[in-house]
Amino acid sequence: QVQLQESGPGLVKPSQTLSLTCTVSGGSISSGTYYWSWIRQPAGKGLEWIGRISNSGSTNYNPSLKSRITISVDTSKNQFSLKLSSVTAADTAVYYCARRLCGGGSCYYDYWGQGTLVTVSS
Amino acid sequence: DIQMTQSPSSLSASVGDRVTITCRASQSINNYLNWYQQKPGKAPKILIYAASSLQSGVPSRFSGSGSGTDFTLTISSLQPEDFATYYCQQSYTTPLTFGGGTKVEIK
Repeated sequence: QVQLQESGPGLVKPSQTLSLTCTVSGGSISSGTYYWSWIRQPAGKGLEWIGRISNSGSTNYNPSLKSRITISVDTSKNQFSLKLSSVTAADTAVYYCARRLCGGGSCYYDYWGQGTLVTVSS
Repeated sequence: DIQMTQSPSSLSASVGDRVTITCRASQSINNYLNWYQQKPGKAPKILIYAASSLQSGVPSRFSGSGSGTDFTLTISSLQPEDFATYYCQQSYTTPLTFGGGTKVEIK
């Protein structure tokens, strides 16, 4: 059973960089043709796709955040990470990591982390 | 970006009711449409992928239909554990986008 777990600071100061790591267990991040993604959700609001990375390091980012995002993968640790620079209060949200699976004619998120709340405040 | 519009944004229903939620894409996405269920404090859970394919382990009372720009999620007989928020998501192109959600509440 694949499991994903987010980790990182729960409080980040404005203008600083938010850094989160997602640790994958129950399977190798290098196997298969999955994409590993970050998705966020402000309190009481909907879901926003941040970006994704393949196990070979190919990335796609949301253009609305692209200038501030870096997603990387460390296959030796079975982890992938998110860095979001120059944060403001608008970046306060629950951040999820998730695995994208493609099959049956579509791609979808089949495994998710439990989510981690990141608050941007001085 | 492809905009995903769900309706209604919320609804009240009773156990046993048939519930229908709609999702409209701002352009054709063929059948690249997924449905998720989210309960408070939990991550979303995949219900339907490719517009109408039921994810393994999901009860058969959930079904999806549609293609192009208009899609529907139907719960044939609402159960107590189905009270949650439902999101559609297009996987046609990046940036991937979600609908605003439909909260299903107890009447």
